[in-house]
Amino acid sequence: AQSVTQLGSHVSVSEGALVLLRCNYSSSVPPYLFWYVQYPNQGLQLLLKYTTGATLVKGINGFEAEFKKSETSFHLTKPSAHMSDAAEYFCAVSGSGGSNYKLTFGKGTLLTVNP
Amino acid sequence: KAGVTQTPRYLIKTRGQQVTLSCSPISGHRSVSWYQQTPGQGLQFLFEYFSETQRNKGNFPGRFSGRQFSNSRSEMNVSTLELGDSALYLCASSLAQGFGEQFFGPGTRLTVL
Repeated sequence: AQSVTQLGSHVSVSEGALVLLRCNYSSSVPPYLFWYVQYPNQGLQLLLKYTTGATLVKGINGFEAEFKKSETSFHLTKPSAHMSDAAEYFCAVSGSGGSNYKLTFGKGTLLTVNP
Repeated sequence: KAGVTQTPRYLIKTRGQQVTLSCSPISGHRSVSWYQQTPGQGLQFLFEYFSETQRNKGNFPGRFSGRQFSNSRSEMNVSTLELGDSALYLCASSLAQGFGEQFFGPGTRLTVL
């Protein structure tokens, strides 16, 4: 079984400030981890993913995340927030196949960027 | 390459009716998954189809069903609609049943009155 906990349903930062969105997961199999972003009235867009290999993953729009197995975490960061980053962010976990293939999502974190 | 398309984008139905939603995956993608998104429950997995066969199913009642055609297009059907079925239904496609890089469509917003 897999689960995802996103700490903080709403995060507010100033433009230019560090963005840190927290994600902890639980998985009975080696996890694949993802961050998706959702803009209003749109579907989900993949920001980045971790499957195997390097634990620091770089994604689109300047975002990156680090897989820490010992902490079961996959926090998303961006050094400098931009107004266009305002959206809802979802962390997700899946296994590698079979019944573990489906994505299990966290509840989401709404990011607000203040001018 | 065109993305995942979903039709219709918006639907309004009344309780007791049934509804069919359609999803066309990215060309070449053979796996299609469906998710329900609500403010209360968040994003929940409904089912996944690969090569016209349902491979995975989430914890939803039998009123929710789906199918996949030979061209990988998929439909989901909800019968005997309830108020709680109001949600954004998202379809996602991937090349194969694998490690899960899924590409999402814009969703169908279903409102049940």
